[in-house]
Parts: sequence; C-alpha cells; structure tokens
Amino acid sequence: DVKVTQSSRYLVKRTGEKVFLECVQDMDHENMFWYRQDPGLGLRLIYFSYDVKMKEKGDIPEGYSVSREKNERFSLILESASTNQTSMYLCASSEQVGPGYTFGSGTRLTVV
Amino acid sequence: AQSVAQPEDQVNVAEGNPLTVKCTYSVSGNPYLFWYVQYPNRGLQFLLKYITGDNLVKGSYGFEAEFNKSQTSFHLKKPSALVSDSALYFCAVRDPYTGGFKTIFGAGTRLFVKA
Repeated sequence: DVKVTQSSRYLVKRTGEKVFLECVQDMDHENMFWYRQDPGLGLRLIYFSYDVKMKEKGDIPEGYSVSREKNERFSLILESASTNQTSMYLCASSEQVGPGYTFGSGTRLTVV
Repeated sequence: AQSVAQPEDQVNVAEGNPLTVKCTYSVSGNPYLFWYVQYPNRGLQFLLKYITGDNLVKGSYGFEAEFNKSQTSFHLKKPSALVSDSALYFCAVRDPYTGGFKTIFGAGTRLFVKA
C-alpha cells in the first residue's frame, strides 16, 4: 500500500514563526497536494505539484509556499504563521490520471 | 469552474437501515467523481470512484454510489448501515479536461449511525 507520511500529528507554534510541514510518499507518485481542512469548509487546496521542482497555486495560497526538491517529499511552509492558519493540514499524493488520492494522517497546527 | 455540493451537514440513520449521503457537482466536461471517508483525527481514506462505464460503482466497506449525469449527482449508499460507519464523508470532483490535476472537495457530511 502507498503510504503518505506527515512528520507531525500535532504542532503548536507562535505567531510570526516560520513553520515547515513535511510530507513524504513512498510510491513514486508524480502528483502531491497540500490541503487545509476547516469545519464547514471541507478541504481547500493550498498548493500542488505534478513534478519535481514544479508547483502550482491552489485556491488559497496566500501566506504559504512549498518546496519539492525530490519526488517523494513535498513541504509546506508558513512564512510567518498567523492565528488564522490554525487548521488541520492534509497532504495527499496520486498517480497522473484517474485514481484517487492517498492522504496522510494530517497535522493539526495551532498558532498562538 | 468545477464545484461540488453536499447539501446535508449531518445524516442520522439507525443501524441496519439503508443510508444515503447526497452529492451534486458542476463541471464543464465529463467528471471524475470520488467519495472519501474520514474517521476522527485521521486523514481521508478513499472509498470509491467513478471514471467511466457502469453508473453504479461499488467500493470499500459495502458502500456504493450511483452516477446520474442528468441530475449531476453522485450519491453514496449502503444497504445496511453499521455503527462503525459513523464518520465524516467527503464527495470530490475532478474535471480532467479543464481542471488538470486538481480535485475539489465538498464541505463534508457527518454520518451518525445509532445502535
């Protein structure tokens, strides 16, 4: 089975800190995605990548950046964390076409 | 633009009864449609997908979904609910021709199955 591993389950950070959320997948999937999940809003796409060193903005990229230096790793960066970035962050990966996503277990980030 | 709607925030059903979780979508072309389930404090798990072919799709844990093009719906169903089916369910849509690799998720429907 494909595994998508998010390095932290829970994080507490202070306002203004630079925050790194790491995601690694082990099946050589081309596509990787970062979503945030908030009650009543479902999942909203922050950034995605369809190849190494490639990235595309999703629907809510403001305040975030990403890095994909290797195919298996896709990092989400909060340049200067703010309290409105308190959320559950979900990483996912997929093959090129058709199949659904494989999700990581999520990182619940609290910014205080 | 592609979008997906789950009109019910919550669905309550008694164990053993059939369940339906509703989903409607809007895409410009032929959609790829998905259902995912999320258990507490976990990521989403893939349940089933419709890409092409038979309108009735069978998935994991006894779930199935029916693609209805005229009504632009993709409702999730199960003939006999279990208490362990209680979870948050997400419908998702992807337009492979205009949306690229992006998948859009609904807001989610919380299913409660009462013993």
